[in-house]
Amino acid sequence: DTGVSQNPRHKITKRGQNVTFRCDPISEHNRLYWYRQTLGQGPEFLTYFQNEAQLEKSRLLSDRFSAERPKGSFSTLEIQRTEQGDSAMYLCASSLDLGWGYNEQFFGPGTRLTVL
Amino acid sequence: AQRVTQPEKLLSVFKGAPVELKCNYSYSGSPELFWYVQYSRQRLQLLLRHISRESIKGFTADLNKGETSFHLKKPFAQEEDSAMYYCALKFMEYGNKLVFGAGTILRVKS
Repeated sequence: DTGVSQNPRHKITKRGQNVTFRCDPISEHNRLYWYRQTLGQGPEFLTYFQNEAQLEKSRLLSDRFSAERPKGSFSTLEIQRTEQGDSAMYLCASSLDLGWGYNEQFFGPGTRLTVL
Repeated sequence: AQRVTQPEKLLSVFKGAPVELKCNYSYSGSPELFWYVQYSRQRLQLLLRHISRESIKGFTADLNKGETSFHLKKPFAQEEDSAMYYCALKFMEYGNKLVFGAGTILRVKS
């Protein structure tokens, strides 16, 4: 296990198509986060999971976006009917939440989405 | 509103010169702040957190609640410090989600 992995690393799609990204967190990490990063900006929080439960969603996550973490391990982020404004780097991070203190979030390499 | 501001998009210094990357925050609660770094072609990684009060790779950062700042400093810059630096604020109320600033590119020239 060499860290958080994300697939694909790059995705080019046409407007209106659906896309799905996958994130594999570090084994045993119970928290998983999705962030989006557009050019010139820092990452922006989208949603997070505690095991398989999705506990928080940003208002940035429109109804075209859905995320799952079915068995509390890997997660998928789907965007339906993509728009050009969805073009961004999508980052996944995971952490081991021990119920106290700050537990470092380890980031994946990201999936770069380009919507034509 | 909760916000993290990094006023400089680019900071260019000569090797051996002091470095200060600025970060200001706006948060009504008790803040926990971090600096993340992204080297060329690498993933985002934690550099340091204010609560541990440690020095990593010669970098330090002090939380100043009066000025709502968390500036990152290093007395003598090295070429390998060239990277993108992000200041981030933790939201305990939202599962420890992070709010990031826009980032500052640090270029250390030889």
